[in-house]
Amino acid sequence: DQQVKQNSPSLSVQEGRISILNCDYTNSMFDYFLWYKKYPAEGPTFLISISSIKDKNEDGRFTVFLNKSAKHLSLHIVPSQPGDSAVYFCAALMDSSYKLIFGSGTRLLVRP
Amino acid sequence: DGGITQSPKYLFRKEGQNVTLSCEQNLNHDAMYWYRQDPGQGLRLIYYSQIVNDFQKGDIAEGYSVSREKKESFPLTVTSAQKNPTAFYLCASSIDPRGPRVAAFFGQGTRLTVV
Repeated sequence: DQQVKQNSPSLSVQEGRISILNCDYTNSMFDYFLWYKKYPAEGPTFLISISSIKDKNEDGRFTVFLNKSAKHLSLHIVPSQPGDSAVYFCAALMDSSYKLIFGSGTRLLVRP
Repeated sequence: DGGITQSPKYLFRKEGQNVTLSCEQNLNHDAMYWYRQDPGQGLRLIYYSQIVNDFQKGDIAEGYSVSREKKESFPLTVTSAQKNPTAFYLCASSIDPRGPRVAAFFGQGTRLTVV
């Protein structure tokens, strides 16, 4: 039972445009959501997180939006750069547990 | 220089042998995690530990064992009972995740190949 889902395995965007990566979850008890970026054969790098009591968090070119009623979150990257090309994972955490659950990832390609 | 160190980066073992993957952190983090990644797949949680001498099974714990005798260390043993042990293994640690600074930081991973 996948509690965190990333339904788009890949996304391709032009440099300078917006990249929108989506994530859906099934458990309404999640308290925090996180986004990670990963290159092959390396560990994921933390990008940005959001608490379930907020609907938006921004850090530089990265913005995460949370829609609790739809159990949906998205990561916006503006403007997209070729160096952003990587696999992006969303993850979710319950406050009562330290269990951090990841989605299956979306591969982003930013074309020059 | 704080961080999470996984060793070795590459590991080869014969089928039927147990093997232990090392994970050490000097970030003073309470929580530690082990994940497995297969080609084209996401990260699946094997075990996690909230505090020393305590750990919990994740979603795919069968065939694995862990210990948490020290705050800094969370070794993972892949036993011969694990049916498909060849994978990329990632260790992570986190400050108490119940707060605004929630984030888990990962090591560089160990690629285990069983032949």
